[in-house]
Amino acid sequence: EADIYQTPRYLVIGTGKKITLECSQTMGHDKMYWYQQDPGMELHLIHYSYGVNSTEKGDLSSESTVSRIRTEHFPLTLESARPSHTSQYLCASSDQTGWGEKLFFGSGTQLSVL
Amino acid sequence: AQKITQTQPGMFVQEKEAVTLDCTYDTSDQSYGLFWYKQPSSGEMIFLIYQGSYDEQNATEGRYSLNFQKARKSANLVISASQLGDSAMYFCATTKTGAGRRALTFGSGTRLQVQP
Repeated sequence: EADIYQTPRYLVIGTGKKITLECSQTMGHDKMYWYQQDPGMELHLIHYSYGVNSTEKGDLSSESTVSRIRTEHFPLTLESARPSHTSQYLCASSDQTGWGEKLFFGSGTQLSVL
Repeated sequence: AQKITQTQPGMFVQEKEAVTLDCTYDTSDQSYGLFWYKQPSSGEMIFLIYQGSYDEQNATEGRYSLNFQKARKSANLVISASQLGDSAMYFCATTKTGAGRRALTFGSGTRLQVQP
C-alpha cells in the first residue's frame, strides 16, 4: 500500500489568512490529485499533476493553487481564505497506467474558515 | 462526459446479512474502469474493488463483489455477511477521460448503517 500523508488533519482559521495544505507520498508516484468534498457529498477534482512541474486544474473551479517541485510533495495553497472554502480536502496519488488506475488517498484535511 | 449515479442516499442492513449498493454510470468511452471506495467517519478513502470494462467476470475481493452489467451500465457493490465495521459512506467511481488526462469521477455516495 502507498503511504500518503496530509497535514494538518484539522485547521480552523480566520478569513483572509493564507494557508497551505501539505500532501506528501513516499512511493514515488508520478500522479497526484486534490479533491474537495463537502460533508456527506461527492468528491470533486480540483487539481492534478502528472509529474514534476506539471499541474492542471480539475473539474471544479477552485481559488486554490498547487505546485509540484518534487515528486513526493504536492501542496495546495489558498492566498486568502474565505468561509466558502470550508470543506474537506483529500489528496491522492497513483502510479498505475491504464483503466485500473487505483488512487491511494491521504486522511484528508478538514478546513474551517471563520 | 462521465457521470456516476448512486440513487440510495442511505441504507440499513442487519449484521451478517448481505446488502447491495446501486451504481449506474454514463460514459461514451469504450474502455473504462469502475471502482468502489469506502469512507468511514474518520474521513479517509479506502479502495475496495475494481472492475475493468472488458473484464468478463465480476470482480471479487473477500466479502466484496461487483455485479457488473455492462449493457445496463450498472456496477453494483454487494457486501456479504455485513459487519458493524462496514458502517460508512460508499462511493462508486469511474475513470474520467478528456483534455489529455484521466482521473476518477465519483458518485454522491450511499451511507450504509449496519445494525446489530
